[in-house]
Amino acid sequence: AQSVTQLDSHVSVSEGTPVLLRCNYSSSYSPSLFWYVQHPNKGLQLLLKYTSAATLVKGINGFEAEFKKSETSFHLTKPSAHMSDAAEYFCVVSLIPGYSSASKIIFGSGTRLSIRP
Amino acid sequence: NAGVTQTPKFQVLKTGQSMTLQCAQDMNHEYMSWYRQDPGMGLRLIHYSVGAGITDQGEVPNGYNVSRSTTEDFPLRLLSAAPSQTSVYFCASSSGRNTDTQYFGPGTRLTVL
Repeated sequence: AQSVTQLDSHVSVSEGTPVLLRCNYSSSYSPSLFWYVQHPNKGLQLLLKYTSAATLVKGINGFEAEFKKSETSFHLTKPSAHMSDAAEYFCVVSLIPGYSSASKIIFGSGTRLSIRP
Repeated sequence: NAGVTQTPKFQVLKTGQSMTLQCAQDMNHEYMSWYRQDPGMGLRLIHYSVGAGITDQGEVPNGYNVSRSTTEDFPLRLLSAAPSQTSVYFCASSSGRNTDTQYFGPGTRLTVL
């Protein structure tokens, strides 16, 4: 079955320490992968996306993610957390590259990131 | 360029009432979608549209109707509200293929009593 799994529902780190949010996917195709961020009471905003070009993708606000096909993973990292990074993060997989249908986009259940002062 | 707009921001309904959530985008996007967000479940697709006059069901379509008479607008109708429809609703649009970024509206928080 095709799916996306965010391995942690909640991650808490201290300000200035590294952030790791984990995402694994299952797909019969080479997927497109996205990370979106949702700040409290706001809509979702794109952080970064992988669409079969470079496997290491850099996004906004210092975040990056690496696509590892052998591990079927697309983990999100940031070297040094900032208080403003506190938000909910969603890993999203688009299962059929180039296929024109919103029904092929699957959201993970989300990871809430908390930052300790 | 306002992006994706949604109205209202908040709504309280009684069981059995009907209402329409409005969504509009000014980016000339062909693809528009409605999602609901519930705690611990991510976003689930309700209905989507690949262009004016074309709509299709997503993962959780029961109790909702949509139409797409123009490229800009994609309203979501609740026919007879139920407490299970208490949720936050997001509208999104994108320019085409699944490799494209989705742009989300600010959401509508709906409570059904």
